[in-house]
Amino acid sequence: KAGVTQTPRYLIKTRGQQVTLSCSPISGHRSVSWYQQTPGQGLQFLFEYFSETQRNKGNFPGRFSGRQFSNSRSEMNVSTLELGDSALYLCASSFSQPAQFFGPGTRLTVL
Amino acid sequence: DAKTTQPPSMDCAEGRAANLPCNHSTISGNEYVYWYRQIHSQGPQYIIHGLKNNETNEMASLIITEDRKSSTLILPHATLRDTAVYYCIVRVASGANSKLTFGKGITLSVRP
Repeated sequence: KAGVTQTPRYLIKTRGQQVTLSCSPISGHRSVSWYQQTPGQGLQFLFEYFSETQRNKGNFPGRFSGRQFSNSRSEMNVSTLELGDSALYLCASSFSQPAQFFGPGTRLTVL
Repeated sequence: DAKTTQPPSMDCAEGRAANLPCNHSTISGNEYVYWYRQIHSQGPQYIIHGLKNNETNEMASLIITEDRKSSTLILPHATLRDTAVYYCIVRVASGANSKLTFGKGITLSVRP
């Protein structure tokens, strides 16, 4: 099976812009989770989607949002980008738990 | 979520066993112990998980103490490619609270 794929792999944006990141889970996996990784804060949970519904949410401002489509593919959006949003954004998928499988991540740089 | 405590770093010689400790003294009865690792700039990789019995797979062995307050991940024959940050995480197996809460992990350096 193909692994979790994320697009794009690298992205450069400027402050105030918005960005949409995409994640395609492993075939058959219905749960998709998003994480943000920065040098200062480490890996932090953003949200999880299961069957097109947000099931869990981390402590991030409303500028961070996501959705999941009927084919389990997921997108996350960050509006009004700030310098501090520069990070590696990771997507993970799972099939009724227990293990989550991560993609390679999208490296976002905000200038 | 129960928290875990790991030393910040350790090293071992290539070909030797690497024993990575983790303390999780407040673990609940329905929480599993998971191990992930992250090689520089890549996504975390699932290694193994267990509830109370020792577990082994092609990558590693997981030894959980009888009281479940600590565990050890064993890489039987460490290679240079095992150099990574290893995260010990406790969480429920499924449901709405099954998010992964990562700590700082332990940086394993395998030396030639």
